[in-house]
Amino acid sequence: EVQLVQSGAELKKPGATVKISCKVSGYTFTDQYMHWVQQAPGKGLEWMGLVDPEDGEAVSAEKFQGRVSITVDTSTDTAFMELSSLRSEDTAIYYCATGVGTGSFDYWGQGTLVTVSS
Amino acid sequence: SYVLTQPPSVSVAPGKTASITCGGNNFATESVHWYQQKPGQAPVLVVYYDNARPSGIPERVSGSTSGNTATLTISRVEAGDEADYYCQVWDTRRSHHAVVFGGGTKLTVL
Repeated sequence: EVQLVQSGAELKKPGATVKISCKVSGYTFTDQYMHWVQQAPGKGLEWMGLVDPEDGEAVSAEKFQGRVSITVDTSTDTAFMELSSLRSEDTAIYYCATGVGTGSFDYWGQGTLVTVSS
Repeated sequence: SYVLTQPPSVSVAPGKTASITCGGNNFATESVHWYQQKPGQAPVLVVYYDNARPSGIPERVSGSTSGNTATLTISRVEAGDEADYYCQVWDTRRSHHAVVFGGGTKLTVL
């Protein structure tokens, strides 16, 4: 059974950095891209970027370029998403999701709530 | 940037058919995927590659494309189908990977 288990909720102050983890099991970690998706309260899904665990190469959406870093640790089958210079608009649930190649997102993590507040 | 356009809301009576559209560029060259999201839950894939269903998704859920419009159709709608639905494509016009989601459609079962 494929599982993506994310780290717990975070409370951060404006200007801070948050790092969320996503530990996978049930498939070969390096076989599939790992994506990160943001969902602000009451809003839709927004793709943040992806990483290829095979070589660690990451691509981010234009909106988040310069603030997001997506990395992997293949020794623990874990992906990470780090978002810096946090502002109130970054308050959201962040999901990791994976799928084969340039196809669908077949499996999703449970989501991690990040609250940015002074 | 690439935009996928969905109606904000669709309402349907139980037992009837719901159609949720997704306007894009040219679905002859791009594959569309659809997700269902219920309140407080992560999204779930319900249709992939335009019209394929993952295991566990009932046959009354189907997808289709025509020109620049993709459609998710749910037949014999049940109360449990009430959820937000999102379409998704890979933006292949770019030199690097980019993924786009539609704005989402809230399906209300009357």
